[in-house]
Amino acid sequence: DAGVIQSPRHEVTEMGQEVTLRCKPISGHDYLFWYRQTMMRGLELLIYFNNNVPIDDSGMPEDRFSAKMPNASFSTLKIQPSEPRDSAVYFCASSGILSGRALYEQYFGPGTRLTVT
Amino acid sequence: AQTVTQSQPEMSVQEAETVTLSCTYDTSESNYYLFWYKQPPSRQMILVIRQEAYKQQNATENRFSVNFQKAAKSFSLKISDSQLGDTAMYFCAFLKGNTPLVFGKGTRLSVIA
Repeated sequence: DAGVIQSPRHEVTEMGQEVTLRCKPISGHDYLFWYRQTMMRGLELLIYFNNNVPIDDSGMPEDRFSAKMPNASFSTLKIQPSEPRDSAVYFCASSGILSGRALYEQYFGPGTRLTVT
Repeated sequence: AQTVTQSQPEMSVQEAETVTLSCTYDTSESNYYLFWYKQPPSRQMILVIRQEAYKQQNATENRFSVNFQKAAKSFSLKISDSQLGDTAMYFCAFLKGNTPLVFGKGTRLSVIA
């Protein structure tokens, strides 16, 4: 099991540019979560999906943020245009029923550190 | 809405000693899960231990154990025989079913040689 995969691990971009973060959940998991971590606000939910359908996007800061999950093995988080206040670590996590694994337990990817200058 | 409070922003412990990290939460739910996650400098979020609210027995994972007091809404983490590799941020988190985790602000633990 490769775990949750995120790319890129680091992203540095200039204000106004489009940024796309990618996530591959654990195979068989049917829930996918995007979290953002900042010093000021800690860890907070941006959006989550169940069976590729967005369930709650109330944490998405504004229209500059959008997320998609075109299939069970891939999700993207896009920021357009990016601003310096978007600088943070973005985590993807997945959960679901797997043989030998507990229900509801969320497994995190390594995160993407985004810096917007 | 649920809230999670970690009242100790920073703690330190000598290697091989025992340390306890505090966490309290507020909820009106009766069935839920509680977790402790470890975040080392690599920033990877690592699940340390989980507790189901319906279980009275406190969870234990090797050197890590919890003291779960449901009535008091308290969920502390005890680390025994602390090791240098335990140095990290520790987050307490609340979960109700297949919903997003609600995290505390974290406790930065330093293990001193």
